This record gives sequence, structure tokens and C-alpha cells, in this order.
Amino acid sequence: KQEVTQIPAALSVPEGENLVLNCSFTDSAIYNLQWFRQDPGKGLTSLLLIQSSQREQTSGRLNASLDKSSGRSTLYIAASQPGDSATYLCAVRRADSNYQLIWGAGTKLIIKP
Amino acid sequence: DGGITQSPKYLFRKEGQNVTLSCEQNLNHDAMYWYRQDPGQGLRLIYYSQIVNDFQKGDIAEGYSVSREKKESFPLTVTSAQKNPTAFYLCASSIGTAGDQPQHFGDGTRLSIL
Repeated sequence: KQEVTQIPAALSVPEGENLVLNCSFTDSAIYNLQWFRQDPGKGLTSLLLIQSSQREQTSGRLNASLDKSSGRSTLYIAASQPGDSATYLCAVRRADSNYQLIWGAGTKLIIKP
Repeated sequence: DGGITQSPKYLFRKEGQNVTLSCEQNLNHDAMYWYRQDPGQGLRLIYYSQIVNDFQKGDIAEGYSVSREKKESFPLTVTSAQKNPTAFYLCASSIGTAGDQPQHFGDGTRLSIL
């Protein structure tokens, strides 16, 4: 059974720092992996999607990497800003299913001005 | 602007009461989903629908019911059989259910017990 873990559950860093959020999964047979952002009391916004054949994806100050063999993905945020404060969730899409996402519990990120 | 609208934003349920959460999308998406989010846990799939007049149970369907009579609407009823309904409920939609098609989310409904 696929399980997705995000550690730490919460992270607080000063503004301007580069930081890395971690996502691990137990079954390497994935179709793709996505990173989402959730603001308090809001829905989710998709940030990056990495296909199983890809190693990384970049969007602006965000870079997501994928290492299927070790069951790990990282989300790198460069030059963090207070507006980056949110909860970041990762989700994997199983290779044997075309509909179901398996979700991590998220990392709550606080960027201190 | 196209998007997903969930209402109400906050909902309170009395003991033994059924309540219905609304989800409407104007993205012309075929697939729609309902998730439940609890603190410290990942999202869990309640029900999903790939097309009008069809829906399938997710991982935690017990105590919930849905209908999909119109393409744009996918209401979720939380029945009195759901003994722990307090949670944040998220509706999502996608063009289809193929792996490359991203899900778009509404802003959620927070359900609490009175």
C-alpha cells in the first residue's frame, strides 16, 4: 500500500533563506508526483507536476526533484518571502490507477519577515 | 472566470441531521471529486465521478452520498451515519481521470458538529 510522508510537519525560517521540503513514498511504481500549496482555510493550488520519467521541474523560484528509486521528492524554494507562507502538500498518482492521488499530510511553512 | 465554487464556507450539523455540501464547476470538466481533510492527515478520497450519472466510492465513502445529475454539479451529503463528520471538505474537478490531467480545487467547506 502506497504511503506518502512529509517531514517536518512544520518549518519556520527567516525571509531570504533557501529551503527544502521533503516528501517520501513507499512504492516507487508511481505515474507522477505533484506539489500543491494550500493557504489557510482555502483550497489547493498546483505548483509543479513531475512525471515518473522526469528528474525535476522548475517554476520561478520553485524547483521540484524526483528520485523514484529512493522514493523521495524535494521542493526547493529559493530566496523565500513571507508570501510563501502556506502549507505545502505532495501527492503521488499510482501507476496502476488513473484516478487516485495518495496524499502526504503537508508541511506548514512560515517565513518570518 | 472559470473555477469551482463550494458552498457554504462553514456548515454546522446537529445530531441525527443530514447536510448537503454544494460543489459547482464551470470548467466543463467531466471528472469531479470529493476529499476530506483532517488535521495532520493527507487528503482522503470520499467519492469521485468520471461522467454525468456515474460515480464511484473512494476510500472513505461510508456515511456519505453523492449525485451527479448535471455535469457542472456534484453535491455531497453527509448523512447521520457519519459519526465523525467534523472536517474540511474539498471538491475538485479535472478534464478527465487520465494521469496527466491536473485536478482543480474549490476553497472548501468546513463542517462542524453543534
